[in-house]
Parts: sequence; C-alpha cells; structure tokens
Amino acid sequence: NAGVMQNPRHLVRRRGQEARLRCSPVKGHSHVYWYRQLPEEGLKFMVYLQKENIIDESGMPKERFSAEFPKEGPSILRIQQVVRGDSAAYFCASSPPGQGYYGYTFGSGTRLTVV
Amino acid sequence: DQQVKQNSPSLSVQEGRISILNCDYTNSMFDYFLWYKKYPAEGPTFLISISSIKDKNEDGRFTVFLNKSAKHLSLHIVPSQPGDSAVYFCAARSLTGNQFYFGTGTSLTVIP
Repeated sequence: NAGVMQNPRHLVRRRGQEARLRCSPVKGHSHVYWYRQLPEEGLKFMVYLQKENIIDESGMPKERFSAEFPKEGPSILRIQQVVRGDSAAYFCASSPPGQGYYGYTFGSGTRLTVV
Repeated sequence: DQQVKQNSPSLSVQEGRISILNCDYTNSMFDYFLWYKKYPAEGPTFLISISSIKDKNEDGRFTVFLNKSAKHLSLHIVPSQPGDSAVYFCAARSLTGNQFYFGTGTSLTVIP
C-alpha cells in the first residue's frame, strides 16, 4: 500500500545548514501540498504543486524556502540556512487531479529540529 | 489571522458516552469542511466531511453538524471508544481557494 511517503522522519540540522525534505505522493496523485505545524499550532499551508509547476506558494516564507515537484522523482521542500524558528513538523499531502477540494492524503511528516 | 478556531485544546470523555468537538470559522466564503484525526508521530487521516449545502453528515459513529449562520461546526462521536483518543483537527476551504485552513486541534481522551 503506497501512501504518501515522507523522508526522513526526523531531521536534525545546525543553524545555517540546509534541510531537504522529500515527499513521494500516492501513486497516481499528481498534486502535492506542503503544510507546516509549529508547536501548539494547527497545520498551516505552505505550497501547492503539480508536476513541474508551482500553483500556489502564498504560504511559503519569501526567503530561504523553496519547493519543487519534478517530472520524475519526489517533491522536495528545501530550507536554506535554517534557523531555530524553522523547527516544526512538515507534512506533505497529495490528491488526484481535481480532487484536492475534497481533502488530501497526508504523509507521516518530517520533524525538523534546528539546534 | 486564525480563520478556523478550536477553542477547546482538550476534552476527556468516559468510554461509551458522547464526545462533542467544536469548531468555529470566520470566513463566510468557506463551503467545504473536514475533520481529520491525528495520532502522535503520524500524519492526519481523513475522518468525515460536509459541504455547505448540508447541515448534517453521518458516517457510523461519527456525525458532523454545520450551522452556517453561526459559522460553527461540531463533530459528535457516539459511543466514544478508547481508540478514538487522538487530536482532532477541523479544516475548511472555499471553492476558489487552493488550501485548507486548519484549527489548532482538540486532544480527545476517552477513558475506559
């Protein structure tokens, strides 16, 4: 059963390093969403991608954060020069085309800790 | 700006009784609502949804009620079971938007 696969599950980075979070969507799902959950908060939208296209990145911080979903391979969320405030759980979700309105399938998340 | 609010961070209920989880929203453009359930160290899993054209949707032990005039929805779990112990998030979106807005979650504990 290939659900949404995220890796790594846990990631520790020192301040100033780069973090790369990977997400493989459910087979057949071409839409990917990234959400972030800060401690004691709900999930906050970051970015919505289709294959090779960023559809909506209105929730992404303007600097240091980028996302891609290439034609082949997983979606990548990249955080450059991490700071302590980036420590959070990052969840990826996917949906089939046209079905995102009805909800997504979430992965188990990557827990990023910046030390 | 928190457009979806869950004002009760936690709730404890005896096994077999009813659990009622509440959620309020501020954006009148929201027209689709979901409840997700989340266990520790796992991702959220879909539980039940409701469209704004309805005021109730039922799935087994789970019922979601929507009061559009009050901008309020609730999730009823009857009867509650220990396996229901988890964090419950409500989420809402509009037809024209690309994202779901999530509440901060309610941690439900069902006591055997």
